[in-house]
Amino acid sequence: AQRVTQPEKLLSVFKGAPVELKCNYSYSGSPELFWYVQYSRQRLQLLLRHISRESIKGFTADLNKGETSFHLKKPFAQEEDSAMYYCALSSGNQFYFGTGTSLTVIP
Amino acid sequence: NAGVTQTPKFRILKIGQSMTLQCAQDMNHNYMYWYRQDPGMGLKLIYYSVGAGITDKGEVPNGYNVSRSTTEDFPLRLELAAPSQTSVYFCASSLQGGDTEAFFGQGTRLTVV
Repeated sequence: AQRVTQPEKLLSVFKGAPVELKCNYSYSGSPELFWYVQYSRQRLQLLLRHISRESIKGFTADLNKGETSFHLKKPFAQEEDSAMYYCALSSGNQFYFGTGTSLTVIP
Repeated sequence: NAGVTQTPKFRILKIGQSMTLQCAQDMNHNYMYWYRQDPGMGLKLIYYSVGAGITDKGEVPNGYNVSRSTTEDFPLRLELAAPSQTSVYFCASSLQGGDTEAFFGQGTRLTVV
């Protein structure tokens, strides 16, 4: 069965500090993985996907098939990064979401 | 483009009542989804549709029904509301499944009392 695990419900970092949001998955095939973000009072939106290998708003995520992980990283956190972050896995017609990590960047 | 529009934003239902959550998208997307999110939990898929006239169950379909008579609309019907259906409901759409981006509505907060 497909499953996405985000072990941290809450994460606080100081502005300018590095941040890493953890995501582990279980999937029997080749996964399609995403990070979605929900800023306060806004709708859930795509942050980045592993297939595009791009950096969005300074965030990157590398798929590690050996560790079955897709951690989201940013070297220098900004206050505007405070939000709820969801890791998601796509399997055929469905998306499976983790429980989310609430990131707070302290000024 | 309005994207994905959900109505209503908030609703309180009494046990046993029925209601329909509306979802419409104007992006000509083939795929549409309904999720529920309970406190401290991830999004759980209720139903999804890969095109007009085609619907399928997700992880938690019990107590819900859907229809997809047009590409644009994907209403979610709750029959005989129960307190366990108190949740935030999200509708989403994507052009295709697989690795395409999903676009979300703003959510409907439903309370069953």
